[in-house]
Amino acid sequence: RKEVEQDPGPFNVPEGATVAFNCTYSNSASQSFFWYRQDCRKEPKLLMSVYSSGNEDGRFTAQLNRASQYISLLIRDSKLSDSATYLCVVARAAGNKLTFGGGTRVLVKP
Amino acid sequence: EAGVTQFPSHSVIEKGQTVTLRCDPISGHDNLYWYRRVMGKEIKFLLHFVKESKQDESGMPNNRFLAERTGGTYSTLKVQPAELEDSGVYFCATEHPGSYGYTFGSGTRLTVV
Repeated sequence: RKEVEQDPGPFNVPEGATVAFNCTYSNSASQSFFWYRQDCRKEPKLLMSVYSSGNEDGRFTAQLNRASQYISLLIRDSKLSDSATYLCVVARAAGNKLTFGGGTRVLVKP
Repeated sequence: EAGVTQFPSHSVIEKGQTVTLRCDPISGHDNLYWYRRVMGKEIKFLLHFVKESKQDESGMPNNRFLAERTGGTYSTLKVQPAELEDSGVYFCATEHPGSYGYTFGSGTRLTVV
């Protein structure tokens, strides 16, 4: 079983719509959670950290459920530029290695 | 602030040859990590330096891989001899101590033929 599991998608999303997807993690010792964005043939870039209370950054909202060990990402008012692969990433603590999910591909279409 | 620089961006080598990848971190970032993405798989951790010391090398696949970080500055990852299954994208990432600011380099795409 993979440590971080994601639905690979693709999620085909009409422009302006809302899309949400989750990832699950198996290591209950995980303390830090992130969503990274990766464009085709580019490096991962940090989209947002995920906090226990949930957090929002513009059109993006992340939630963490420690009891069920899943993390979610919601994108509102999708833009064409949101098309990318979204990587769920966990770590035990700051300064620790990152464990990546396989990514969820999102395609926003006009 | 300059980013994390990796080179070469692409490398095509024959099985059995040696390749050395280089990563120049952001100045002052003591934590340096190497990751690899093999086609069809998730990005996986290879090793972690704190300054010039190897903190965790549990992800190194075998002894054909050798990583160094001279004087706590740039790092190299040497594969000798390369095998077909070593093909993939090798990313370097650095982090400033006490923060979660992992910054990735643009990667080296290695193809072993």
